[in-house]
Amino acid sequence: KAGVTQTPRYLIKTRGQQVTLSCSPISGHRSVSWYQQTPGQGLQFLFEYFSETQRNKGNFPGRFSGRQFSNSRSEMNVSTLELGDSALYLCASRPLATPTDTQYFGPGTRLTVL
Amino acid sequence: GEDVEQSLFLSVREGDSSVINCTYTDSSSTYLYWYKQEPGAGLQLLTYIFSNMDMKQDQRLTVLLNKKDKHLSLRIADTQTGDSAIYFCAVYNTNAGKSTFGDGTTLTVKP
Repeated sequence: KAGVTQTPRYLIKTRGQQVTLSCSPISGHRSVSWYQQTPGQGLQFLFEYFSETQRNKGNFPGRFSGRQFSNSRSEMNVSTLELGDSALYLCASRPLATPTDTQYFGPGTRLTVL
Repeated sequence: GEDVEQSLFLSVREGDSSVINCTYTDSSSTYLYWYKQEPGAGLQLLTYIFSNMDMKQDQRLTVLLNKKDKHLSLRIADTQTGDSAIYFCAVYNTNAGKSTFGDGTTLTVKP
């Protein structure tokens, strides 16, 4: 079974631009979660989608948004980029949205904002 | 909100046991996880424990939970150089429907 894939792996943008990151979950997984990882703030939960519906959202501004498609693929969008948005963005999938379901993480997208 | 703390660094000799500690604040946390992150890779779930358990063993890994003190630990027996990585503790709150992660402990295993 293929693992969680994220594209692109690396991205460089400038302040004010917007960016869209993509995540393809493991086949059959219906839940996709997004996390932001930075040296200063650690790993922080952005949001979780299940069956195309956002189930939970972390404490991030409205510039961060996401969606999930009928095939469970998910995209995350960040508008009006700021320098502080530079981070590793991790996507994780699991079969359902129960806490005992093992969450499988992708390798991440490294976003650099100049 | 939930606060999860870990020591940042741990260094051990190959063959020794490693113990990584984690403390959390929310007593209603229901599931507690340990993840491993190797350079350039995402997180890999190592093991988890339900809050009504005290201990869970899985091959070289032993998880101990002291719910009264809100303290979680991960013991790695016979630590190998391949165990060098960052280890994250995470706690899941059913009411919030999300996990909160610690900042990670960088384990260095010296030959």
